[in-house]
Amino acid sequence: DVKVTQSSRYLVKRTGEKVFLECVQDMDHENMFWYRQDPGLGLRLIYFSYDVKMKEKGDIPEGYSVSREKKERFSLILESASTNQTSMYLCASSSYRNANTGELFFGEGSRLTVL
Amino acid sequence: AQTVTQSQPEMSVQEAETVTLSCTYDTSENNYYLFWYKQPPSRQMILVIRQEAYKQQNATENRFSVNFQKAAKSFSLKISDSQLGDTAMYFCAFRVRTSGSRLTFGEGTQLTVNP
Repeated sequence: DVKVTQSSRYLVKRTGEKVFLECVQDMDHENMFWYRQDPGLGLRLIYFSYDVKMKEKGDIPEGYSVSREKKERFSLILESASTNQTSMYLCASSSYRNANTGELFFGEGSRLTVL
Repeated sequence: AQTVTQSQPEMSVQEAETVTLSCTYDTSENNYYLFWYKQPPSRQMILVIRQEAYKQQNATENRFSVNFQKAAKSFSLKISDSQLGDTAMYFCAFRVRTSGSRLTFGEGTQLTVNP
């Protein structure tokens, strides 16, 4: 089974802190994604990556950056956390092999609270 | 740009009954895929069912089936013989065939199955 692991299920940070959210997948997937989930807004794409060291902006990249130094790991970085970044963050991965289906495999999510 | 709309924030159904979740989308593309994802409480999001736009036949996966109306840009999910384990948030999602695995999600519908 594909496993996507997010390092922290729950985090509480203070405004202005630098926050790292880590995601690791064990199925050698090329594509990795970070989504933000908010009630009434569904999932919104922050950043995604199709390969190591490659990144592309999603729909709401402001205030975030990402890093993909290794194929299995995709990190989301909040340079200076703000209260409006309080949310659930979901990491997902997919393979070129399911390009026809585009099925995403998700982690359990990281719930971030910024005080 | 593509948009996906789920107009039912919450729904409930009695165990063993049938329920239909609605989804509409807007796109100018002709080649695309549609998906329903399920997010159980505190668990990972998983794919329930997918539909290729070029296929007229509605997809079916056990108790889950879709009603795909391409002209109306409608993609509803029918759950037959509802079970308590079907309680979850359900997301409708859309992907253009040429967009890799980048999905656009709807707002979600919280489904509760009552005993």
